[in-house]
Amino acid sequence: DTGVSQDPRHKITKRGQNVTFRCDPISEHNRLYWYRQTLGQGPEFLTYFQNEAQLEKSRLLSDRFSAERPKGSFSTLEIQRTEQGDSAMYLCASSLVGRGTEAFFGQGTRLTVV
Amino acid sequence: SQQGEEDPQALSIQEGENATMNCSYKTSINNLQWYRQNSGRGLVHLILIRSNEREKHSGRLRVTLDTSKKSSSLLITASRAADTASYFCATDLGDQKLTFGTGTRLTIIP
Repeated sequence: DTGVSQDPRHKITKRGQNVTFRCDPISEHNRLYWYRQTLGQGPEFLTYFQNEAQLEKSRLLSDRFSAERPKGSFSTLEIQRTEQGDSAMYLCASSLVGRGTEAFFGQGTRLTVV
Repeated sequence: SQQGEEDPQALSIQEGENATMNCSYKTSINNLQWYRQNSGRGLVHLILIRSNEREKHSGRLRVTLDTSKKSSSLLITASRAADTASYFCATDLGDQKLTFGTGTRLTIIP
């Protein structure tokens, strides 16, 4: 296990379609984060899990967004009825409780809504 | 919302020169971290400095923290072409997540 992996790396979808992204964290990490990054900006926090529990969701995360981490391992982020404003890089990160918030990031999934 | 703001937004220097970028933030922090992001890729953790620390070194990196001014600086010495990237500061407010700044885009000219 060499790091956080995200799939797919790129996704182009038509407005109104649903999309789902997957993140596999570093295996021993019990915290998993989702961030969104638009061009020229820093990442913005969306949500995080500790094990399988979703502990916080940003107000940026509208009702169309849902995230799960069913067994405390991989996580999925689903966007329903995509809008052009959802176009962004979606970044997943993981960390280890006790090591603070030092985060290890995946390569991201770039979503383009056309 | 962005807690931190990096300055300058963009910086171009000759290879071998030192690069300094600054970060200002708004509220009290547990720690402050610096990350690097190569174009279109994920972020890589560089260094973490706790609120009770004033300076920290890692290889060619030196980070300072001034909590009275709510600011931090990242110095990269003897820059290399491979240092070309965007650099972000991120603050840990004690709420188990990071709040990122807007980034400095560094270009090293060979």
